[in-house]
Amino acid sequence: GEDVEQSLFLSVREGDSSVINCTYTDSSSTYLYWYKQEPGAGLQLLTYIFSNMDMKQDQRLTVLLNKKDKHLSLRIADTQTGDSAIYFCAERSSGFQKLVFGTGTRLLVSP
Amino acid sequence: DARVTQTPRHKVTEMGQEVTMRCQPILGHNTVFWYRQTMMQGLELLAYFRNRAPLDDSGMPKDRFSAEMPDATLATLKIQPSEPRDSAVYFCASGSGQVANTGELFFGEGSRLTVL
Repeated sequence: GEDVEQSLFLSVREGDSSVINCTYTDSSSTYLYWYKQEPGAGLQLLTYIFSNMDMKQDQRLTVLLNKKDKHLSLRIADTQTGDSAIYFCAERSSGFQKLVFGTGTRLLVSP
Repeated sequence: DARVTQTPRHKVTEMGQEVTMRCQPILGHNTVFWYRQTMMQGLELLAYFRNRAPLDDSGMPKDRFSAEMPDATLATLKIQPSEPRDSAVYFCASGSGQVANTGELFFGEGSRLTVL
């Protein structure tokens, strides 16, 4: 079955780059996603990457996909205190829109 | 501003009581998902619907949980009887369901359930 793994916690200083990693098992995944959850709120889509891409850049966000190793990463450049949140990796399994989420990585940005 | 609406936002109840959570998906979305979030398990998929039909509820304890879509504008998740281990935040999410699109899901703000 599908499984998505993430490290639980990451702490960085303001201005540094943050890299959040994720591994998944479903080789038939078509899209992979990064969602952000701020305290007391639901999840919001940050960015996504189609499985035939290796990299996607969107302002301060860079997504890298290594299909061979089934590894996805999210790099946040110039991390700000407002980036402190839980970041979820998710894969879209074949078929409909079912998303399988990782455990979430809590990012703490200190001044 | 289209968004997924969930009620109640917070619910405290006693063990054994029935709990019903409601969700209004974004108008025009035809897929609806129920997720449960806990510190220990993270985000678990409980059930999902397409065009109001249940497609997968394998993540849901069948003896006490039930999920329905009485119409296209309302999804419900019911727990009867509730137990302390059901304490969690329950999220509803909706999507447009078209295979060609990116599959983005839109989440509600969640219903935080505490069972004493």
